[in-house]
Amino acid sequence: EPEVTQTPSHQVTQMGQEVILRCVPISNHLYFYWYRQILGQKVEFLVSFYNNEISEKSEIFDDQFSVERPDGSNFTLKIRSTKLEDSAMYFCASSGDGSNQPQHFGDGTRLSIL
Amino acid sequence: GQQVMQIPQYQHVQEGEDFTTYCNSSTTLSNIQWYKQRPGGHPVFLIQLVKSGEVKKQKRLTFQFGEAKKNSSLHITATQTTDVGTYFCAGPGGGNKLTFGTGTQLKVEL
Repeated sequence: EPEVTQTPSHQVTQMGQEVILRCVPISNHLYFYWYRQILGQKVEFLVSFYNNEISEKSEIFDDQFSVERPDGSNFTLKIRSTKLEDSAMYFCASSGDGSNQPQHFGDGTRLSIL
Repeated sequence: GQQVMQIPQYQHVQEGEDFTTYCNSSTTLSNIQWYKQRPGGHPVFLIQLVKSGEVKKQKRLTFQFGEAKKNSSLHITATQTTDVGTYFCAGPGGGNKLTFGTGTQLKVEL
């Protein structure tokens, strides 16, 4: 069964540094998402991406964050000037064409800011 | 903004006991999805409910969507240790994004 893959599985970074989290969505999916989950808390929406542009973003997704689809397969989340409170699990997800399709999640990247 | 709450936050049961988690949205939902997250894992889609009053079953799991389409429940009959994890409901939050509920963490003891 096709799956969403994320790299790295764990990223440790000094505060103030930039990180790039990478995702390869399921190949025939058209909608891509990033979610964040702080340890022990619920999954929070960050941003959705469709047709090579951001379709929706949350209040969390401020100027510190950006997303990109640099080629036909990768989908990246860049976090600039990382802060301690950015420490969380970041999940990439993708879904097929049409609204309200089930979303398929990757295994996540655990981001630890020191 | 839209809020989706779940109760209880935690539930410990003995293997073989039943389990129910309740999901309540502050707004009417066009549909509701349920996801399961195993400890250390990622959310995995379980089911989607669309119609008012809809009931769907997956083996020992029964999902229900409220008549007003603002609440939902997941009931597990005769829990097993493989049921351990956190169960999230999620509703559409505008566009294709999902607003996840607060989750119910289920622990099953032998």
